[in-house]
Amino acid sequence: AQSVTQPDIHITVSEGASLELRCNYSYGATPYLFWYVQSPGQGLQLLLKYFSGDTLVQGIKGFEAEFKRSQSSFNLRKPSVHWSDAAEYFCAVGVAGGTSYGKLTFGQGTILTVHP
Amino acid sequence: DAGITQSPRHKVTETGTPVTLRCHQTENHRYMYWYRQDPGHGLRLIHYSYGVKDTDKGEVSDGYSVSRSKTEDFLLTLESATSSQTSVYFCAISAGTPYTYEQYFGPGTRLTVT
Repeated sequence: AQSVTQPDIHITVSEGASLELRCNYSYGATPYLFWYVQSPGQGLQLLLKYFSGDTLVQGIKGFEAEFKRSQSSFNLRKPSVHWSDAAEYFCAVGVAGGTSYGKLTFGQGTILTVHP
Repeated sequence: DAGITQSPRHKVTETGTPVTLRCHQTENHRYMYWYRQDPGHGLRLIHYSYGVKDTDKGEVSDGYSVSRSKTEDFLLTLESATSSQTSVYFCAISAGTPYTYEQYFGPGTRLTVT
């Protein structure tokens, strides 16, 4: 079965600083990978996704993520963080194929705090 | 916006009472999911559905049942609520191509069991 680890429970950065949130997955084949963001009291919003092809994917709100098969990682990055980026971020992995029924496995989440 | 609504949005109930949460979608998606979100655990899958009357268990299904009698509605029932079921519950649908799934979430239901 697949699994996802987000090693950092809580990260604090200053506004304008760069950001990298880590995600490591465990799965035998090529996974489908996602990053979601959740603002306080809200549902989850899809930031970006990786299915195949270019390993550097661009998402909404200026985020990008890079798939590194050799490291089983899918880290999320942003060059300059804005105060509005403060939220909780979730990495998720999906399994290919019709019998997976589209199920995703989520990491535990990383809470991002942004200092002015 | 994937056209997903959840009701109620907030509920307080007593231990031992049955509770039903409703998820409604307007875009005819085949796959639907119920998750619970608890601090430190991320989202955990309770049950999912791959069609009308077709449902299966997720990783934390004990104490929960589901029903899907029509495409647009997916109901989650706590048969006899316990304090450990205090949580935020999210419904999701799966969109995308047949073999590359991305999920879209409803706004959530905050359930408190006293």
